[in-house]
Amino acid sequence: KNEVEQSPQNLTAQEGEFITINCSYSVGISALHWLQQHPGGGIVSLFMLSSGKKKHGRLIATINIQEKHSSLHITASHPRDSAVYICAATLRGGADGLTFGKGTHLIIQP
Amino acid sequence: EAQVTQNPRYLITVTGKKLTVTCSQNMNHEYMSWYRQDPGLGLRQIYYSMNVEVTDKGDVPEGYKVSRKEKRNFPLILESPSPNQTSLYFCASSFRRSSYEQYFGPGTRLTVT
Repeated sequence: KNEVEQSPQNLTAQEGEFITINCSYSVGISALHWLQQHPGGGIVSLFMLSSGKKKHGRLIATINIQEKHSSLHITASHPRDSAVYICAATLRGGADGLTFGKGTHLIIQP
Repeated sequence: EAQVTQNPRYLITVTGKKLTVTCSQNMNHEYMSWYRQDPGLGLRQIYYSMNVEVTDKGDVPEGYKVSRKEKRNFPLILESPSPNQTSLYFCASSFRRSSYEQYFGPGTRLTVT
């Protein structure tokens, strides 16, 4: 079972395109995180959401609690956005901790 | 600079030889956790700690031990490593719980032969 699902697994796009990565979850959550992992391994937190929408530069994250769905958008994509994007949720009830999606491998071609 | 540090960054060892991967944070965070990342499986939580002397199992705790004697340090101990523990390990910390922004260490690549 995987309580956090991401799509697509792989995405290749041209520079300048609008990118959308989706994350859905099957149980109630306290928070939804979007993480970025560049080649070489380091993980950086992009957003932490519990409702609504957040924006940081060209990145936008939204969450719909009723539909149990979150999206990460990248506007005016650039080759430096190439990375793995990981959705993670703090699930309500049970042990504290993050449950991760499998990640979306994004390649932006010049 | 606010950061989470891990040591060593790379380690090759043999089956059964006890090892410790250290994790330290300088942000006075209460919550610390360990994750492993494997191809096809993604990231999975090993152990977490809500505060000093409070630790709990994550999804894949078998073969691992942790301790939290000081707020800043959260070492991961493999008492008898096996090849299936070959993985990329990340330590992370946050202000209070996993529902707060997470700060990740740089990762430790462990190979057990």
